[in-house]
Amino acid sequence: AAGVIQSPRHLIKEKRETATLKCYPIPRHDTVYWYQQGPGQDPQFLISFYEKMQSDKGSIPDRFSAQQFSDYHSELNMSSLELGDSALYFCASSPPGTSTNEQFFGPGTRLTVL
Amino acid sequence: AQTVTQSQPEMSVQEAETVTLSCTYDTSENNYYLFWYKQPPSRQMILVIRQEAYKQQNATENRFSVNFQKAAKSFSLKISDSQLGDTAMYFCAFRLNRDDKIIFGKGTRLHILP
Repeated sequence: AAGVIQSPRHLIKEKRETATLKCYPIPRHDTVYWYQQGPGQDPQFLISFYEKMQSDKGSIPDRFSAQQFSDYHSELNMSSLELGDSALYFCASSPPGTSTNEQFFGPGTRLTVL
Repeated sequence: AQTVTQSQPEMSVQEAETVTLSCTYDTSENNYYLFWYKQPPSRQMILVIRQEAYKQQNATENRFSVNFQKAAKSFSLKISDSQLGDTAMYFCAFRLNRDDKIIFGKGTRLHILP
């Protein structure tokens, strides 16, 4: 079965640089979620999109922005990177329908800021 | 605000034994979902089991079962006949019916010993 695809899987950046993380949801899934998991931490919700519109927002820094495109893939843009941005970034997706409650997680993008 | 508490940072059990991971949560809402996620060394987030709050019957998935006590706001995970492959970090998680975000506990690191 198809899973959530995230690219790149690993990314190394310098402080103050910009990074773009991509997420390709499971086919026919219309909602995408982004989470950040710092070292030794639990995942923290950043932002979500439903049908290309932002649907919920968590503790996402102003330096970060995200969007969902017409093909439902999503990109998380991170600017002025800081050392504390080093983390595993998960994307998850869920299918249409109000009865759904499961989010299917991708393998994550490991971002290292030097 | 909703919170999830896992009081056991780390546990170790012998292979084939049964182990129970504890989780409590706090919410004033009535419609929500509870989850247990497994995160092995690969860091992939894998859904182990989920429980709808309106269902009184405890969820079961093969060797995994939960003890859901809604009044006590308790949601423990029991792993029967534990296997080496069960070694992982386990996160208890909560999601309101009307929300997108999943709120995770701090996790319990489980070691299955040969």
